[in-house]
Amino acid sequence: KQEVTQIPAALSVPEGENLVLNCSFTDSAIYNLQWFRQDPGKGLTSLLLIQSSQREQTSGRLNASLDKSSGRSTLYIAASQPGDSATYLCAVGDNNDMRFGAGTRLTVKP
Amino acid sequence: GAGVSQSPRYKVAKRGQDVALRCDPISGHVSLFWYQQALGQGPEFLTYFQNEAQLDKSGLPSDRFFAERPEGSVSTLKIQRTQQEDSAVYLCASSIQELFFGEGSRLTVL
Repeated sequence: KQEVTQIPAALSVPEGENLVLNCSFTDSAIYNLQWFRQDPGKGLTSLLLIQSSQREQTSGRLNASLDKSSGRSTLYIAASQPGDSATYLCAVGDNNDMRFGAGTRLTVKP
Repeated sequence: GAGVSQSPRYKVAKRGQDVALRCDPISGHVSLFWYQQALGQGPEFLTYFQNEAQLDKSGLPSDRFFAERPEGSVSTLKIQRTQQEDSAVYLCASSIQELFFGEGSRLTVL
């Protein structure tokens, strides 16, 4: 069974700092990896989707990388803002079965 | 609609009551997933549909949980004889490749 781990569980940074969130998974035979953002009491908002043939995806201040061989993905957030405060979740798998980590709770202090 | 719609957003049930949670996926999305999310945790997979076929129900925690998608569009998750441990947010997602989530249904069992 695929196990997904996210480190750290919580992170607090001052505004403007660049930061990296980590996601590791045990089974490298994945079809894609997706990063999400979840605000309190809300559903999940998709941030980036990386297919297994890709190594990274970028959207604005966000960059996600994928290293299937080592079972790792990172989400890089540049020039963090207070509005980035949320829980960030990664999910890995295929079209039939996406497994989630427990998330990293990010707080960006003004 | 433009996104995944779930109803009700909030449900309070007395222990032993039956509940039904509805999911309206994005039009044209073949795949539909149900997840259960406990406070402070990542979503846990419950079941997966491809059109009307339930291809994986390995995550359903007990035979009190039942899901259907009879016409390959709207799906209903039914929980019979609810227990306190069923209290959670139930998330529905639909996809072609990228997962899109609804806002969730928060179930509280008293």
